[in-house]
Order: sequence, then C-alpha cells, then structure tokens
Amino acid sequence: AQSVTQLDSQVPVFEEAPVELRCNYSSSVSVYLFWYVQYPNQGLQLLLKYLSGSTLVKGINGFEAEFNKSQTSFHLRKPSVHISDTAEYFCAVRGEDDKIIFGKGTRLHILP
Amino acid sequence: KAGVTQTPRYLIKTRGQQVTLSCSPISGHRSVSWYQQTPGQGLQFLFEYFSETQRNKGNFPGRFSGRQFSNSRSEMNVSTLELGDSALYLCASSLGRYLRDEQFFGPGTRLTVL
Repeated sequence: AQSVTQLDSQVPVFEEAPVELRCNYSSSVSVYLFWYVQYPNQGLQLLLKYLSGSTLVKGINGFEAEFNKSQTSFHLRKPSVHISDTAEYFCAVRGEDDKIIFGKGTRLHILP
Repeated sequence: KAGVTQTPRYLIKTRGQQVTLSCSPISGHRSVSWYQQTPGQGLQFLFEYFSETQRNKGNFPGRFSGRQFSNSRSEMNVSTLELGDSALYLCASSLGRYLRDEQFFGPGTRLTVL
C-alpha cells in the first residue's frame, strides 16, 4: 500500500530565507507525485507535479521539487520565501491503483 | 472559466441527520473526486466519479455515498451523521480519467455535526 510521510508538521523560516519541506513516499510501483498548497479557508492548489522525465520539477510561485527514486523522496524547495507563502503544504502520491494519498501536511510559518 | 464550486460552504447538522453536499466541476471536466479533511486524519480520499460511474472508492463506511449526473455535477450524501463526520469536504475536478490529469479543488464545504 502507498503511504506519504511529511516529516515536519510545522516549519518556521525567516522571510527571504530558503526553505525545504520534506516528503517521503512508499510504493512498490510507479507513481505520480504532487505538491499542493492550501491557504486559510481555501481549497488546494497544485504547486507542481512529477509524472516522468527530468527529476527536477519547477512549479508556480518559485517552488521546485526534486524526485529521488532511490531515497523515495520528493522534497519541495524555494530559494527565498515571502510572507505570502504562509500556508499549509501537502505532498501527495497517486499510483497505479488510481487512488491519491496525501501526507499530513506541513504548515509553513514565515517570520518577519 | 469558472472554478469548482461547492454548495453550501457551511453546514451545521445534528447527530443522526443526513446531509447532501453539491459540487459543480469546471466546465468540460468529467471527473469529480471527493475528499474529507480533518485535523486528526488529514486529507482522505472518499470516491471518484467519471462519466456518472464510480471509478474508485476510499475506506469509508457505507453511510458515505455519492453520485454524478450527466452534466458532471456531483453530490455526496452522508446518512446517520456522527460527531466524527465534522470536517471540511473538498471536491476536485479533472478533465479526464488519467492519473496525470491535474485536479482542481473547490473551496470546500465545512460540515459541523453537533
């Protein structure tokens, strides 16, 4: 069965500093990987996705993620965060059973 | 193009009642999925519909059901409500039935069971 682990429930970071949100998954088959962002009182918005090809994926709002098959990781990074990046971030995996599994989420707190 | 809309946005019910939530997908999208979001369990997949057929189902009791109409609009129903059903229910639509298709989420319906 697939599972997704987001290692940090909360990450505080100073404005303009870099950030990495960690995500590990377990699956015995090929998967598609996603990062979503949820702003307060809103639904989820897709940041980026890995389907195949280049392991470095660029998304919206300056975010990028790297797929590492050997470490079964898909960490999200941004070189310089802004106060508007304050939100909850979800990693998700979708495998050949067609079900999408979400991680528990990581709350990103931007400190002034 | 209008996004995914969900109605109502907020709902308060009492235990034992039933509730119906509605989701209108983006125009042209034929796949609709439903998710339950709670602080304890996070985001959990409920079910997915494509062309009026349920394609996939999560691990929820039979009290949770859904359907999709010919215009792709979807409803989900929860019968005999329990306190633990209090959650944000999210609907997402996608163009087709492929795993790679991006899902677009609505703002959710917040259900409170008293």
